[in-house]
Order: sequence, then C-alpha cells, then structure tokens
Amino acid sequence: EDQVTQSPEALRLQEGESSSLNCSYTVSGLRGLFWYRQDPGKGPEFLFTLYSAGEEKEKERLKATLTKKESFLHITAPKPEDSATYLCAVQAWEYGNKLVFGAGTILRVKS
Amino acid sequence: GAGVSQSPSNKVTEKGKDVELRCDPISGHTALYWYRQRLGQGLEFLIYFQGNSAPDKSGLPSDRFSAERTGESVSTLTIQRTQQEDSAVYLCASSWALFIEQFFGPGTRLTVL
Repeated sequence: EDQVTQSPEALRLQEGESSSLNCSYTVSGLRGLFWYRQDPGKGPEFLFTLYSAGEEKEKERLKATLTKKESFLHITAPKPEDSATYLCAVQAWEYGNKLVFGAGTILRVKS
Repeated sequence: GAGVSQSPSNKVTEKGKDVELRCDPISGHTALYWYRQRLGQGLEFLIYFQGNSAPDKSGLPSDRFSAERTGESVSTLTIQRTQQEDSAVYLCASSWALFIEQFFGPGTRLTVL
C-alpha cells in the first residue's frame, strides 16, 4: 500500500490558469512533509517544509498547505517556467530519518 | 561548495563490473543520504549517514550494494557485479541536521549494458 500518493499524475495548464496538486499520505506520526521541484536531468530542488496541520508556506506563485491527511501545492497564474515534476515526500516516526516520496506530478504550462 | 556535487554525472558499464559513485555534501552538513530513481518511478531510499556512521541501511537492495563515508564529508556508493536492473539515477542529498529538509545533488545516471 502506497504511503504517499500524488495526483494528478500529469497536469497541463495554460499560462495564467491556476490549479492545485495533491499529496495524500497514510503514515502515522508525521514529522514533516516536503515539496520538491525536479527538472529533467536534474536533482530535486527543495521548495517547502510543512510540519503541522494548518501550516502554510508561500514562495512566488506557489503556496503549500497541510492537513492531517494531505497537502496541496497551489500554483497561481503559472508561467511556462513552472513546468517541472513536483515531488512530495514525508518523514514519519515509523520511517526514521528517510524521506518517502510520492511518484510525482508532471506539470506542463503552455504559453 | 555551494551545493551537493556528484561524480561521475554519467556512467556506462557492462554487466558484472563494479562501479563507484561519489558524493560531496554541502560543507558542514552532518547527514548524508543516498536515493535511487528508476526511470518513471519515484525516489527510493537506500542508506543514510550521520557523521561517518550509517544508522539506517534498510534500503540497500542487496549485498552487492555498499556505502561508506569518511571525514564526515565525502561518501562513496559501491555496486559490485552490476546487473541491468541497477540502471537508474543515483541521487545524493545532505542536511545539516536530522528531520529537516534535504538538499539534493544532480545525480549520477548509471547504465548497465
């Protein structure tokens, strides 16, 4: 059973068309939830850490939120340069210090 | 250095050969992690180091895989007798403490023919 599930698998947006990516998790004892961006052929780039339900973080056109069962990455008025794979990962007491990743959402923003 | 560096960036090897992958973490980061990313799949944890010790090796797929870290800095991941299923991008990450964000290197793309 997957502990971290991301949806949708792929998302196509027009430039300026806001949307949200979802990351749901079934772990108990969440220590932290992390969002990364990954461009083709590169390593994941850190975006946000969320530690407790109700927490929100913002950076430019991105806003991450956390509930007890899921996290959302909201993208406001996206631009073509926001095209990438967005990865969600969790750390939980049951996993120790490792990150457990979801499969990612591939985002394409067309101008 | 400014970020995590890995070498080589690409490695092509023949089945049965041994390979060594290197990771230089961000200076001062005490924790170092190895992950594997197979084509079209998510990242899989392999092993992590706190200082030069490896408290969690649970993700190493078989005894052909080993890793070491020296001087609380550089780490080497060694794969012996490589198999085609070992083909993947091997990513290294580091963090200055436990249970916080990890910063990733660019990865080493390993292709086993």
